[in-house]
Amino acid sequence: DAGITQSPRHKVTETGTPVTLRCHQTENHRYMYWYRQDPGHGLRLIHYSYGVKDTDKGEVSDGYSVSRSKTEDFLLTLESATSSQTSVYFCAISGGVGTYEQYFGPGTRLTVT
Amino acid sequence: TQLLEQSPQFLSIQEGENLTVYCNSSSVFSSLQWYRQEPGEGPVLLVTVVTGGEVKKLKRLTFQFGDARKDSSLHITAAQPGDTGLYLCAGAPAGNMLTFGGGTRLMVKP
Repeated sequence: DAGITQSPRHKVTETGTPVTLRCHQTENHRYMYWYRQDPGHGLRLIHYSYGVKDTDKGEVSDGYSVSRSKTEDFLLTLESATSSQTSVYFCAISGGVGTYEQYFGPGTRLTVT
Repeated sequence: TQLLEQSPQFLSIQEGENLTVYCNSSSVFSSLQWYRQEPGEGPVLLVTVVTGGEVKKLKRLTFQFGDARKDSSLHITAAQPGDTGLYLCAGAPAGNMLTFGGGTRLMVKP
């Protein structure tokens, strides 16, 4: 199994509070991704990174920011959580784009009350 | 509207039955991937198809990429309870970021 961990695995927070989710990899892969998964929508890309300090927006980036200060860590921040951000968040890594396999972490279940 | 449409969304069958899941798009993809996701876990890659018309077999699973590289199918022969899960297709149009279909949730009853 690819070495990807996510923390926390579960979190309940209140509307308006900041939240940071962490993804850590031990595979030295260049690309890292944050997705959210909601019923009927599959996986939707929030942000991705193609190197240290190199990030770009995905399909559903509003309300989220990311940072990557080290190859192994990719942080997702919800500056002011809203109930619409209740979801399961997955981190993934890959060696490249296109045909490259993505390896997924175990997910973080976030509930915003 | 999603770039990749999967059908059916839900499928409940008895052990031993055959089934086919479809992944369709109006866009051309350089490749398509199929992932399986079990409850509480992240998706795991099953196969990547890259050539139009390509057929790949993985034990009881057969994957096909359409000739025009706009669609794909997953056929499971003699389904088993261990096949239960969420099946996701994913493609990267023109080398862009991978985009996922909405998924097919399969339940195989013993």
